[in-house]
Amino acid sequence: GAVVSQHPSRVICKSGTSVKIECRSLDFQATTMFWYRQFPKQSLMLMATSNEGSKATYEQGVEKDKFLINHASLTLSTLTVTSAHPEDSSFYICSAHLLAANTGELFFGEGSRLTVL
Amino acid sequence: EDQVTQSPEALRLQEGESSSLNCSYTVSGLRGLFWYRQDPGKGPEFLFTLYSAGEEKEKERLKATLTKKESFLHITAPKPEDSATYLCAVHTGGGNKLTFGTGTQLKVEL
Repeated sequence: GAVVSQHPSRVICKSGTSVKIECRSLDFQATTMFWYRQFPKQSLMLMATSNEGSKATYEQGVEKDKFLINHASLTLSTLTVTSAHPEDSSFYICSAHLLAANTGELFFGEGSRLTVL
Repeated sequence: EDQVTQSPEALRLQEGESSSLNCSYTVSGLRGLFWYRQDPGKGPEFLFTLYSAGEEKEKERLKATLTKKESFLHITAPKPEDSATYLCAVHTGGGNKLTFGTGTQLKVEL
């Protein structure tokens, strides 16, 4: 079946540094990928929709200058947390759906645990 | 605004003790309802998609049903390996954006 891969799975960084998380669709092309954030024992909160070849669409309350998204190809989207602070520590998950399959069915990556010291 | 509510928040079962998880939704124009399983520190794993009221789907010990207001995930004779957080999500409107519920944390004990 379709597989979405994220890297790194865990990252620890110092406050003020930037961290990049990659999301790849391994055996299919994805024009749209989604980035979620999940706090402990809470559900997934959509941060932004990543569109291949165009600007990402951010949800209300999500700082676009803080969370930079680049979707340069049909198989790769990246999320960069800029000038990270401890409150940015969270579990970040990406997802993607099959190209031209407008069914809403999404495949999720394994998630990336970010800890900002 | 679309709303998805899951209950209970947490559920503890003995092995073999069947039960149901609930997902209630208030949306405009449901295009699909999804169930996912999430293990700690992992991304959600797709289980089922339901598209219309009356639809049912089964997979091993799990069975998902859908009405116009809610969905149930029935777990028959659960095993400890069924322990996980179960998330439901709704797909509405255009695009492929999903709105998730807060999940039910299931623990099955021997």
